[in-house]
Amino acid sequence: NAGVTQTPKFRVLKTGQSMTLLCAQDMNHEYMYWYRQDPGMGLRLIHYSVGEGTTAKGEVPDGYNVSRLKKQNFLLGLESAAPSQTSVYFCASSQGTVNTEAFFGQGTRLTVV
Amino acid sequence: DQQVKQNSPSLSVQEGRISILNCDYTNSMFDYFLWYKKYPAEGPTFLISISSIKDKNEDGRFTVFLNKSAKHLSLHIVPSQPGDSAVYFCAASYYKLSFGAGTTVTVRA
Repeated sequence: NAGVTQTPKFRVLKTGQSMTLLCAQDMNHEYMYWYRQDPGMGLRLIHYSVGEGTTAKGEVPDGYNVSRLKKQNFLLGLESAAPSQTSVYFCASSQGTVNTEAFFGQGTRLTVV
Repeated sequence: DQQVKQNSPSLSVQEGRISILNCDYTNSMFDYFLWYKKYPAEGPTFLISISSIKDKNEDGRFTVFLNKSAKHLSLHIVPSQPGDSAVYFCAASYYKLSFGAGTTVTVRA
């Protein structure tokens, strides 16, 4: 039972570099989310998707782009990394938003130097 | 604009006693509320939830209370155990899932 898998688990980037974080879920969930966790800030929603081919902005979308070309995958891209994007990133998926919980991946620790 | 707020960043409780975690929200459209538990270097895991049409939900040692008029929910853990030491996140849902800042619970032996 893989659930939600994030790749990579750790990454160090130089300022200005780009990268893509991959999230894959095997539960056939419609909804997928990207959050970032920072000390004292909790989990803040970056972008989310309510189904294949759809994306929407969350609370802190600036500097990030996402794509949901396949139902099971949700990609988070950083086009030009900044030190302020140093964080732990979590992907989650759920079947809906009512009477159902979201399942989280293990997280990706990203450091931008 | 954080719509889900956990105003206590930390809580220390003795083993065997009750832990009470609080959460306030501002969006009256939220229709489903959840609590998640997170250990270091792991993703959050679902703990317990409550629909907006209920005011209480119980699951073993965990009980969640919802007061819609006050836009407040709380999580009670009785009795608290050392394995309960973790960060607890309150979350609320309406088309998307929004989280609070978390409360770090430490259970003392």
